Amino acid sequence: EVQLVESGGGLVQPGGSLRLSCAASGFTFSYYAMSWVRQAPGKGLEWVSYISSSGNTIYYADSVKGRFTISRDNAKNSLYLQLNSLRAEDTAVYYCTRLMTGFLPFDYWGQGTLVTVSS
Amino acid sequence: EIVLTQSPGTLPLSPGERATLSCRASQSVSSSYLAWYQQKPGQAPRLLIYGASSRATGIPDRFSGSGSGTDFTLTISRLEPEDFAVYYCQQYGTSSWTFGQGTKVEIK
Repeated sequence: EVQLVESGGGLVQPGGSLRLSCAASGFTFSYYAMSWVRQAPGKGLEWVSYISSSGNTIYYADSVKGRFTISRDNAKNSLYLQLNSLRAEDTAVYYCTRLMTGFLPFDYWGQGTLVTVSS
Repeated sequence: EIVLTQSPGTLPLSPGERATLSCRASQSVSSSYLAWYQQKPGQAPRLLIYGASSRATGIPDRFSGSGSGTDFTLTISRLEPEDFAVYYCQQYGTSSWTFGQGTKVEIK
């Protein structure tokens, strides 16, 4: 069974930093590209960042470019998102997702971790 | 960036009725890269349809997707009580992914 378990969320002040982690199991992690998707309270879904299976190709949404860094450790079956220079508008549930090969939708999602940016 | 506009925003229906949800793109989208998701309160989204018309693993055949170019449709043939939820369309194009704003299917 595919499982994605996020951790690392919490309350942080504006301008602060946080590191999110996602532990993957139930599939060969190194074969799949991964992404982070977020959802602000009561709002819709927003794609945040993508990393290829090898980690060689990375993309970011314009809203987080230069502030967030995605990475992965295939030996540890883990995905990460470093969040720097946080703003109130970054407050959201952050979901770790796996991308289906070929068609590239997000075929598996974690339960999410809440990041709250507030003073 | 391609913008996806979903309609209607809210769709009040009764169990057993047919639901038709629309997703319109600001420019042409490859059908291969159009997907639909279901989200229930307090839960993560679940992939329903990918490639515009292929059902994801375990998705009942009352869910179907169609369309091409800029107009795509998700149809739920007969609503079951568990189908009342928010539905999002999503596309991939040129190193980015975008979602529609969602359609809430609610009990009439």
